[in-house]
Amino acid sequence: AQSVTQLDSQVPVFEEAPVELRCNYSSSVSVYLFWYVQYPNQGLQLLLKYLSGSTLVKGINGFEAEFNKSQTSFHLRKPSVHISDTAEYFCAVSDRASGGSYIPTFGRGTSLIVHP
Amino acid sequence: DSGVTQTPKHLITATGQRVTLRCSPRSGDLSVYWYQQSLDQGLQFLIQYYNGEERAKGNILERFSAQQFPDLHSELNLSSLELGDSALYFCASSRGIQETQYFGPGTRLLVL
Repeated sequence: AQSVTQLDSQVPVFEEAPVELRCNYSSSVSVYLFWYVQYPNQGLQLLLKYLSGSTLVKGINGFEAEFNKSQTSFHLRKPSVHISDTAEYFCAVSDRASGGSYIPTFGRGTSLIVHP
Repeated sequence: DSGVTQTPKHLITATGQRVTLRCSPRSGDLSVYWYQQSLDQGLQFLIQYYNGEERAKGNILERFSAQQFPDLHSELNLSSLELGDSALYFCASSRGIQETQYFGPGTRLLVL
């Protein structure tokens, strides 16, 4: 079974500073990687996903992530954060289940706190 | 707004009781997923349905069951409730079995 480690439970940062949220996963032959964001009192929203192809993936709201197979990592980055980016961020990895679905295993989440 | 609706938003009940959570997927989505989010376990996949048929199963307890109806809405039934079942239950939907999942706002269950 896959496992996901989000190395930081909380990341405080000042507005307009860059940020990196770290994610490592257990290795597998082929994996599919996702980052989700959860704003307070809301469901999860997909930020970006890696299925194949270019290892640098661009998502919504100016976020991007880089898939590094040798280091089994999929870190999320943003060059300049806004107050509105304050939220919980979840990294997820999935194999294809026997029925062909992508069933994600989630990390424990990283709380991004953007200070003015 | 993802287009996925869940009712009720909040539910307070007692140990030993049974509850039903309801999910309406986005228009046109055939696949429905259920997740449980708790402080202890984090976010865990429970079960997936596609066009009325069970497609994948995760860490779903035997006390829990789900189904997807012909109109594609889904219900998650939780019985013999325990304190540890208190959690946020999310439903997600997708067009097919490999497309992006869109999450509903969740149902917050509190078992007293």
